[in-house]
Amino acid sequence: QLQLQESGPGLVKPSETLSLTCTVSGGAISSDSYYWDWIRQPPGKGLEWIGSIYYSGNTYYNTSLKSRITISVDTSKNQFSLKLNSVTAADTAVYYCARLRGGDDDWHFDLWGRGTLVTVSS
Amino acid sequence: SYELTQPPSVSVFPGQAASINCSGDKLGDKYACWYQQKPGQSPVLVIYQDTKRPSGIPERFSGSNSGNTATLTISETQAMDEADYYCQTWDTNTVPFGGGTKLTVL
Repeated sequence: QLQLQESGPGLVKPSETLSLTCTVSGGAISSDSYYWDWIRQPPGKGLEWIGSIYYSGNTYYNTSLKSRITISVDTSKNQFSLKLNSVTAADTAVYYCARLRGGDDDWHFDLWGRGTLVTVSS
Repeated sequence: SYELTQPPSVSVFPGQAASINCSGDKLGDKYACWYQQKPGQSPVLVIYQDTKRPSGIPERFSGSNSGNTATLTISETQAMDEADYYCQTWDTNTVPFGGGTKLTVL
């Protein structure tokens, strides 16, 4: 059974870079028809899509965050990663990694990690 | 960027049907899906491709999508259905979510 697990620091200082990794277990990240995504949820608020990556390295980003984010993939480790630079308190959120499945314009998240809380504070 | 709008809250009595709407420009021309999220848990897909239920999702969950509105309907709502619900679609290589609706079972 395929599982996703986020890892990374739970506390980041303002103006620094948030770095998270998602490890995919029980299956290969190098699969057709799937993208691998990051989504976040500030405390008490809704879901915000951050960006997607295909195993080939092709990426799509939320335009509101595009200038600050980098998503990368390491197929040898079955992992993908998120870097968000110049963080502020507004970036405090639970960060989820998820599998985006679909095709023919039907794209949905069929598998989610448990999420990890990242707090931006000095 | 493409925007999806949901009502902040919906209330329903146990056993009654609950409907949650999600509106967006010509949303009916796209596919919509829905997630259920209970406190402290990750979201769970309950409807995809407008009307399809993933394995393990009860039949009381159904969906529709036409015009500018997608609708999630829960027939015979149970206490366990109390949760936040989010709609989502795909638009030009972006994945927008609705703001979420808190479903309260009275």
